[in-house]
Amino acid sequence: GDSVTQMEGPVTLSEEAFLTINCTYTATGYPSLFWYVQYPGEGLQLLLKATKADDKGSNKGFEATYRKETTSFHLEKGSVQVSDSAVYFCALYRDKLSFGAGTTVTVRA
Amino acid sequence: GAGVSQSPSNKVTEKGKDVELRCDPISGHTALYWYRQSLGQGLEFLIYFQGNSAPDKSGLPSDRFSAERTGGSVSTLTIQRTQQEDSAVYLCASSQRQTGYGEKLFFGSGTQLSVL
Repeated sequence: GDSVTQMEGPVTLSEEAFLTINCTYTATGYPSLFWYVQYPGEGLQLLLKATKADDKGSNKGFEATYRKETTSFHLEKGSVQVSDSAVYFCALYRDKLSFGAGTTVTVRA
Repeated sequence: GAGVSQSPSNKVTEKGKDVELRCDPISGHTALYWYRQSLGQGLEFLIYFQGNSAPDKSGLPSDRFSAERTGGSVSTLTIQRTQQEDSAVYLCASSQRQTGYGEKLFFGSGTQLSVL
């Protein structure tokens, strides 16, 4: 069945550092791919998405590119802030939305 | 209301009791999901309703878990004979399906279930 594998955390880094969270997927056909974020004390919310190969999703300085050849959708941000501390979930949609295990990111001032 | 509403926000119960968790999705949203989030764990898919189609129950962990969606709107997740390992945050989400594209889910705040 469809599945998402994401980089295990937790990840701790300093402000202005470069962040990458790896995500790979297994699915037949052409799923849509998402990153959701859960800030402390808040509910999950959509961060960005890509619906076809080579699409790049972007929001709040984060980017992820749908790579069909490597079945990946890695999340990147060039310069993180303390406010980016959250749990990040990679997700795949084909006939339902399936999430990865989540990666906890802590950014220190 | 403007968002997905879940009730109760917190539920403490004794082992062996039955519990019901309620979800009011955003009006007009045809898709409704239930997920479970355990401490330190990711989001575990439980069940998915889409319009009038038969629900996808493939994620329900045991026959103690069941869910229904009445009139294509409100959904109730029922856990019978609760066990301590059922303790988790139960999240409901809804979306307006866009054929051929991915869905943006709107999540509720969840129900924190504690089984003593």
